[in-house]
Amino acid sequence: QVQLVQSGAEVKKPGASVKVSCKVSGYSLIEKSIHWVRQAPGEGLEWMGGFDAEDGETKYAQKFQGRVTMTEDTSTNTGYMEVRGLRSDDTAVYYCAIDRITIFGRYFDYWGQGTLITVSS
Amino acid sequence: QSVLTQPPSASGTPGQSVIISCSGSSSNIGSQIVNWYQHLPGTAPTLLIYSNNLRPSGVPDRFSGSKSGTSASLAIGGLRSDDEGKYFCASWDDNLNGPIFGGGTKLTVL
Repeated sequence: QVQLVQSGAEVKKPGASVKVSCKVSGYSLIEKSIHWVRQAPGEGLEWMGGFDAEDGETKYAQKFQGRVTMTEDTSTNTGYMEVRGLRSDDTAVYYCAIDRITIFGRYFDYWGQGTLITVSS
Repeated sequence: QSVLTQPPSASGTPGQSVIISCSGSSSNIGSQIVNWYQHLPGTAPTLLIYSNNLRPSGVPDRFSGSKSGTSASLAIGGLRSDDEGKYFCASWDDNLNGPIFGGGTKLTVL
């Protein structure tokens, strides 16, 4: 059974950094890759980036480049996402998801439970 | 603001059918597959439909997807109270070079 378990909710001040973890069981990150998606209050889902198994590199949505770093530790099967220079509009639930690439297309076939990051002074 | 457009809400009574629409453009739905995700309260999102109309193992056949041009639809038949939640469409966007999502449709079973 595949499970993605994320770290707990955090409250941060503007300008601080936060690092969210995503522990994967039932899948080896050597074979799969983690992507990160966030949902701000009242908004839809927004893709932030992830490891692209087709290209072999981590890709970021343009709006997050330079401020977000995503890494994977294959020895512990855990993914990490760090956001620096937090702003109030970074308040959101952050999800990790497994990116699956098949002959039928590409999709996120398993998701974490979400981590609420609140940015407030 | 989401690039894919969904109605914010939909509703039906138990046993009825409901259709949720998802509208995009030539840079996403028009040239890429569409996936649908179900997000029930208090749980992680789950894959409901992939590659326009395929169901993962375990998803009942009362859920079906279709795509035409730059739009897609999710049909849910035989509504049940435990279908209540949010439904998101998603597609790859050539401009973003990544996946994009709809704003989500909150389904209420009356």
